[in-house]
Amino acid sequence: QVQLQESGPGLVKPSGTLSVTCTVSGDSLSRSTWWSWVRQPPGKGLEWLGEVFHSGNTNYSPSLKSRVTMSVDKSKNQLSLKLNSVTAADTAMYFCARAGVGVGGFDYWGQGILVTVSS
Amino acid sequence: DIQMTQSPSSLSASVGDRVTLTCRASLNIKKYLNWYQQKPGKAPKLLIYTTSNLQDGVPSRFSGSGSGTDFTLTISSLQPEDFATYFCQQTYDTLMYTFGQGTKLEIK
Repeated sequence: QVQLQESGPGLVKPSGTLSVTCTVSGDSLSRSTWWSWVRQPPGKGLEWLGEVFHSGNTNYSPSLKSRVTMSVDKSKNQLSLKLNSVTAADTAMYFCARAGVGVGGFDYWGQGILVTVSS
Repeated sequence: DIQMTQSPSSLSASVGDRVTLTCRASLNIKKYLNWYQQKPGKAPKLLIYTTSNLQDGVPSRFSGSGSGTDFTLTISSLQPEDFATYFCQQTYDTLMYTFGQGTKLEIK
């Protein structure tokens, strides 16, 4: 059974760097599929942030491209999201998700982690 | 970016009702449209992919249709567990996936 689990600091200071890790179990990051990050501000909709392939190739949302870095650590079966120069507008629930293999859309999601940007 | 617009933003309905939610794309996205259900405090759950394909384990009362710019999600007979927020997502633009703003389905 595939499971994704986000972890990281729940509080980040303005202008700092947000870091979230997604640990994947029941699947291998070497599988030929993309792994995405999605966020959701409290009470609002979903925003796709970008995706990373097991090779390290990435696609980032144009609106965040200058501030975001996504990577894969296959030895630990983990994904990493880093977002720098954060402001209160970056306060959100952050999810990792797997692009379905042979299935459109994201078929597995982590439970999410709430990251608050505040001093 | 391809903009996705869902309507209505909220909908009140009763158990047993048939409901239809709509999603419109700003460009032709062919059939690259997915639907998710999200309950409070939970991650989204994939219901339907590529317009009309039911994800494994999803009840058959859910169905999807459409193509191009106009898509619908239909629930044939609402069950208590269906009251949630529903999001559409386009995966046509593989460099920038976008979601609709959501439709909140509430109990009347």
